[in-house]
Amino acid sequence: GAGVSQSPSNKVTEKGKDVELRCDPISGHTALYWYRQSLGQGLEFLIYFQGNSAPDKSGLPSDRFSAERTGGSVSTLTIQRTQQEDSAVYLCASSLVGTGSYNSPLHFGNGTRLTVT
Amino acid sequence: SQQGEEDPQALSIQEGENATMNCSYKTSINNLQWYRQNSGRGLVHLILIRSNEREKHSGRLRVTLDTSKKSSSLLITASRAADTASYFCATRNSGNTPLVFGKGTRLSVIA
Repeated sequence: GAGVSQSPSNKVTEKGKDVELRCDPISGHTALYWYRQSLGQGLEFLIYFQGNSAPDKSGLPSDRFSAERTGGSVSTLTIQRTQQEDSAVYLCASSLVGTGSYNSPLHFGNGTRLTVT
Repeated sequence: SQQGEEDPQALSIQEGENATMNCSYKTSINNLQWYRQNSGRGLVHLILIRSNEREKHSGRLRVTLDTSKKSSSLLITASRAADTASYFCATRNSGNTPLVFGKGTRLSVIA
């Protein structure tokens, strides 16, 4: 497909387990973002990848959270030892970065709804 | 970190009426963007206004930006039931910083 794809769409896990969330960005988009959205709330920035630059990890809430972007394309967000407060929708977005890149809009996937029981 | 704050948090109007949502932010920006989110879906980009622009139109959407007041408004004219969604403003203060979102306005358009 032409859009941002996230998998799984829903994930239920037990407290203390590790989870991996996947994001396939739009082909050719060099910027990739992860956001978290709690019920009825706005988006909380987590991490930002841009090309080959070091990622901006300033939004990661704890060292249990990490993310990788392999080959400048697919990204995986990993949450270790999940806690109930990690329950949220995790949204991935990508954008085309180039000249005047700061004007590029974000294209979002439909998110992964994570429930920690 | 800077963040847009939308106002009101929730808005309910009749079909055909105009809907106005406001966004305030804290620091200087490069551009401001508005996004829409239908329930259970990702966000969809609606319109971007640069810091040197004051007004922009796209179909039934009209966005204004007042950098002196650090505020923006989104006007949806002749609203439809299909406009029911949450609307978010997002700001970016330089090319390589992440886009920061507000908490959104939940718009309900009643047929």
